[in-house]
Amino acid sequence: EVQLVESGGGLVQPGGSLRLSCAASGLTFSNTWLSWVRQAPGKGLEWVGRIYSTPDGGATDYAAPLKDRFTISRDDSKSTLYLQMNSLKTEDTAVYYCTTYIYGYMAYWGQGTLVTVSS
Amino acid sequence: QSALTQPPSASGSPGQSVTISCTGTSSDVGGYNYVSWYQQHPGKAPKLIIYEVSKRPSGVPDRFSGSKSGNTASLTVSGLQAEDEADYYCSSYAGNKVVFGGGTKLTVL
Repeated sequence: EVQLVESGGGLVQPGGSLRLSCAASGLTFSNTWLSWVRQAPGKGLEWVGRIYSTPDGGATDYAAPLKDRFTISRDDSKSTLYLQMNSLKTEDTAVYYCTTYIYGYMAYWGQGTLVTVSS
Repeated sequence: QSALTQPPSASGSPGQSVTISCTGTSSDVGGYNYVSWYQQHPGKAPKLIIYEVSKRPSGVPDRFSGSKSGNTASLTVSGLQAEDEADYYCSSYAGNKVVFGGGTKLTVL
């Protein structure tokens, strides 16, 4: 059974930084493409970005408004995906989901972790 | 403003069918056969119910079906059941990114 468990969310002040983690199990992590999707309170889903598997080069792509502040990385030795978020704004407040990713669809989702950006 | 356009709400009575549309452009929905649909119940993570326009993951009832014509994709839920009441989101591959619709709240009357 595939499991994705996010952690690292919490309250952060505007301008601050936060790193989210996503621990994966039940899949061959190193061969898996992964992504982050977020959902602001009461709002719809927003794609954050993706990272290819290491054998496929490990390249990343981001939603255009976020690419200068967010960085996705992976540690295959720990089966863990990361999302580094810098210069956080109040509008980054959302539940952040870790997902598997294949050609635009997300088959497996974590339970999400809430990030609140507020002073 | 979402990249893909969905109606904010839809409804139907138990046993009826309802169709939710998802309109994009030739750069996303119309350009690739990589449209997917997600069901989200309150307080839960989204669940994939349709991928690659019309394929269902294992375990998803065949009451859920997907299709596409030009720049518009559609999700049809047949034989509506109470547990189908949820938010539904469409999504499309768009080259180096993924775009979502704004979501449709489906109410089972």
